[in-house]
Amino acid sequence: DIQLTQSPPFLSASVGDRVTITCRASQGIRNYLAWYQQKPGKAPYLLIYAASTLQSGVPSRFSGSGSGTEFTLTISNLQPGDCATYYCQQLDSYPFTFGPGTKVDIK
Amino acid sequence: QVQLVQSGPEMKTPGASVRISCKTFGYTFTDFYIHWLRQAPRQGPEWMGMISPTSGTPTYSQKFQGRVTMTRDTSTSTMYMELRSLRSEDTAIYYCARDFGVFPSAWGQGTQVTVSS
Repeated sequence: DIQLTQSPPFLSASVGDRVTITCRASQGIRNYLAWYQQKPGKAPYLLIYAASTLQSGVPSRFSGSGSGTEFTLTISNLQPGDCATYYCQQLDSYPFTFGPGTKVDIK
Repeated sequence: QVQLVQSGPEMKTPGASVRISCKTFGYTFTDFYIHWLRQAPRQGPEWMGMISPTSGTPTYSQKFQGRVTMTRDTSTSTMYMELRSLRSEDTAIYYCARDFGVFPSAWGQGTQVTVSS
């Protein structure tokens, strides 16, 4: 199975900050990577697919980049509503595995 | 709009089976695969498998092979997931999600399954 690691596991930032989360894959996954936002008690919500394509309706403050084994999710101008846990998922090879998550908090 | 509505919470004893339904609305049922995923308490999501709405052919994660069955009913635009031989570690919220070019884009509200003696 392809292993995904995320860093950092937790980050605390101020409103208006720019934050970056990294997802690394144990082997190349081309651009078959998705990013999700999950708030407590809710289902994960797809933010970005194919590594860099914004899901319809997602604010442009969110952006994704990368290919192969290293990917990033960037949130520009962090807002209070962005407090959540963010997961990456690879969909290149079965089983489609998830990273362990990054919890984002507002200072 | 696209909506996936799942069946209600389930309480099961170890060794039992559970069957969860996922009724879809707002799109052509046969156009998109459905993924099944779960999330145990305080853990990240876990992909269980996916099923073609046209052929009904499933692809299961090896972890669940032999214990899971995914099926569909095209007449009611509903997907089903059955998990057998339940154990306490199967306690989780189970989700169905419609794909968009393989990526799970629209998720159901989740079904809590609790396995306890």
